[in-house]
Amino acid sequence: KQEVTQIPAALSVPEGENLVLNCSFTDSAIYNLQWFRQDPGKGLTSLLLIQSSQREQTSGRLNASLDKSSGRSTLYIAASQPGDSATYLCAVQSGDDKIIFGKGTRLHILP
Amino acid sequence: NAGVTQTPKFRILKIGQSMTLQCTQDMNHNYMYWYRQDPGMGLKLIYYSVGAGITDKGEVPNGYNVSRSTTEDFPLRLELAAPSQTSVYFCASSPRGTHGYTFGSGTRLTVV
Repeated sequence: KQEVTQIPAALSVPEGENLVLNCSFTDSAIYNLQWFRQDPGKGLTSLLLIQSSQREQTSGRLNASLDKSSGRSTLYIAASQPGDSATYLCAVQSGDDKIIFGKGTRLHILP
Repeated sequence: NAGVTQTPKFRILKIGQSMTLQCTQDMNHNYMYWYRQDPGMGLKLIYYSVGAGITDKGEVPNGYNVSRSTTEDFPLRLELAAPSQTSVYFCASSPRGTHGYTFGSGTRLTVV
């Protein structure tokens, strides 16, 4: 059974710092891994999607990496801004077509 | 370009009542999903569908039913609502497993 873990559960950093969010999964047989952002009381916004054959994806200040063999992904946020404050969710899709989510990391950027 | 549309956005139910949460997508996606999100618990898969006429149980299907008569629509039915079903419900769709997912804006349900 696929399990997805995100560490840390919460993180506060001063504005301008670079930061890394971590995601680990137990079954390396995945189709893809996706990072989402969720603002309080809102839905999920897709940030980056990494296919199983890829090692990383970049969008603006965001960079996501994938190491299937070790069951890990990281989301790197460069030059953090207060607007980056949100919950970041990692989701993995495995061969049975189900998407399994981690519990998320609550990020707070201090002005 | 509506994407995934969920209705209603908010609903209060009394214990024992029934209701249907609506989800429709206009992207011709084959795959559709229903999740519930409880505080601090992440998202749990309730039911999913890989195409019209096909549905499968997820992690937490008890107390819910779904149908998929068309590609566009994937309603979630709650029978005999219970306080434990108080949650935020999200519907999502995907063209296929490797193409990522689009989420609706959610339905906040309270059972009292």
